[in-house]
Amino acid sequence: SYELTQPPSVSVSPGETASITCSGDKLEHKYVCWYQRKPGQSPVLVIHQDTKRPSGIPERFSGSSSGNTATLTISGTQALDEADYFCQAWDSSMVFGGGTKLTVL
Amino acid sequence: EVQVVESGGGLVQPGGSLRLSCAAAGFTFSNWWMTWVRQAPGKGLEWVANINHDGNEKYYVDSVKGRVTISRDNVKNALYLHMSSLRGEDTAVYYCARLVGIWDGLDVWGQGTTVTVAS
Repeated sequence: SYELTQPPSVSVSPGETASITCSGDKLEHKYVCWYQRKPGQSPVLVIHQDTKRPSGIPERFSGSSSGNTATLTISGTQALDEADYFCQAWDSSMVFGGGTKLTVL
Repeated sequence: EVQVVESGGGLVQPGGSLRLSCAAAGFTFSNWWMTWVRQAPGKGLEWVANINHDGNEKYYVDSVKGRVTISRDNVKNALYLHMSSLRGEDTAVYYCARLVGIWDGLDVWGQGTTVTVAS
């Protein structure tokens, strides 16, 4: 079965840029979505089709994809961005990455 | 307001059954594919099942095939997940979500309902 691999944790200082990666075989041929989930809240779609931001998502969130890796970038990271982030793609079915805990120190 | 609200979770013994419900509001439910996703304690998100607009197409993760049935009632604007032969590994928060498309992901999520399988 298809797998997406994310680092378990990423730390960033307030105001700095956070990058969260998502790796998968031939990922460049698939579209990736990213979800943010804060404790006690439901997930929120922050990026779809690799690079697109849904309405209401701050511009500091951006996505990119190259080769076997997709990246979620948060520029000027704020304390409120501290959350778990999950990537998701389709193979023969919907697949999620294991999630990355973003800590804003 | 566009929203989905899950209900029906609870404590169930191994081998037992449960039906989860998801009430949709604020959008034309019958136009959208719908999805169940779960998150087990300490684990990541896991896709469980999808259903198309009219309920004629259903897809399941291998681990639940034969034990779980997704269904919908477009008159009641409701999505369901019928689960039987429940196992400890089914313990999770179950989310109902609206599927925009295979490229565009899940754009509306509920708060989740907790299923605990234990004796």
